[in-house]
Amino acid sequence: GQQLNQSPQSMFIQEGEDVSMNCTSSSIFNTWLWYKQDPGEGPVLLIALYKAGELTSNGRLTAQFGITRKDSFLNISASIPSDVGIYFCAGQNGGSQGNLIFGKGTKLSVKP
Amino acid sequence: EPEVTQTPSHQVTQMGQEVILRCVPISNHLYFYWYRQILGQKVEFLVSFYNNEISEKSEIFDDQFSVERPDGSNFTLKIRSTKLEDSAMYFCASSDRGVGQPQHFGDGTRLSIL
Repeated sequence: GQQLNQSPQSMFIQEGEDVSMNCTSSSIFNTWLWYKQDPGEGPVLLIALYKAGELTSNGRLTAQFGITRKDSFLNISASIPSDVGIYFCAGQNGGSQGNLIFGKGTKLSVKP
Repeated sequence: EPEVTQTPSHQVTQMGQEVILRCVPISNHLYFYWYRQILGQKVEFLVSFYNNEISEKSEIFDDQFSVERPDGSNFTLKIRSTKLEDSAMYFCASSDRGVGQPQHFGDGTRLSIL
């Protein structure tokens, strides 16, 4: 089945740093979504992307839908402590009823 | 802001018993989903539901699983005879127009099979 490769698997940040993570797929998606999951909670939608090449921002977060429709990245600028958590990319193709294929997540932690 | 609510937050069940996980999707949404997340792993699609029937299901969603919308607000996932490997977080999600629309997730039910 379709799979998403999300990287990095984990990263440590210091407050104020910019963060970048990405997802790639061997197949095309029509929609890319980025979610954040805090411990014990469900995924919370951050950004939704619907068109190839689309660049969308949500506060300090910026995400882009790759031109090939096989990849997407998420950037977080000027990170703050509450940015820690697990970030998931998810792809949705047009042929299904909308079910999402999730990446394995990027775990963001604060540098000790 | 409207949200998806799930109950219970934690369910502990003996292996072989039946469990029903409950969800109240966002009120004007028409598409409903169940996902599963085994501890430390990614979120996996189980089933989608629209117009009172299953639209799509994954390989995980075998004959032990069923879904139902018993009334205008609830959406349930039933596991008929639970196995140890069913232990996971189960998330309900909903969207208003299916394909091309973002899905909004509940906080999940942690299912522990003993």
